[in-house]
Amino acid sequence: AQTVTQSQPEMSVQEAETVTLSCTYDTSENNYYLFWYKQPPSRQMILVIRQEAYKQQNATENRFSVNFQKAAKSFSLKISDSQLGDTAMYFCACEGAGSYQLTFGKGTKLSVIP
Amino acid sequence: AAGVIQSPRHLIKEKRETATLKCYPIPRHDTVYWYQQGPGQDPQFLISFYEKMQSDKGSIPDRFSAQQFSDYHSELNMSSLELGDSALYFCASSLDPSGLYNEQFFGPGTRLTVL
Repeated sequence: AQTVTQSQPEMSVQEAETVTLSCTYDTSENNYYLFWYKQPPSRQMILVIRQEAYKQQNATENRFSVNFQKAAKSFSLKISDSQLGDTAMYFCACEGAGSYQLTFGKGTKLSVIP
Repeated sequence: AAGVIQSPRHLIKEKRETATLKCYPIPRHDTVYWYQQGPGQDPQFLISFYEKMQSDKGSIPDRFSAQQFSDYHSELNMSSLELGDSALYFCASSLDPSGLYNEQFFGPGTRLTVL
């Protein structure tokens, strides 16, 4: 079983600036995957970035990167050069390897201000 | 690229009625997941199927049932609908999670409103 905690219900950032969204998790699995999903007003769930727990190197996807601290069970998302289109709800999620379900955090509502 | 298809996209029902939601996974994906997202909530896992067999079960009410068919599409059947069932229902699909590719691809969701 997994639990995911996002302690920032809402955040805002100026356009072109950098913002970091926090996430902590707990799991009894030895191997697991971590994800950040974006949900814009359209409500579509869009995968932003994923991290395999057995990989020490932090994942990066263009302007999005993570800071994965396995011992601390922390998985933060950094968005660089924020754009208006980044305005959305962001969900952190965890899935045990070989598991058949994602466990989501409560989400962080990010607003990018022009 | 083909995506997960869900139908209908919107559904309005009365209390105590039944509803059936359909999900067509990405071709060659053999695993289907159902999630429920209430207003202002995070998605909650309901149930999943791998190769037409139930693989995991979450917080799915007894009034709900689901299955995966031979063509891998899945249906979520909801009976005796309650006001609290009003939510966005997501279907997602993936290749076998025990393999290398664990990513779940989400459909656009079915918005169910119970009046």
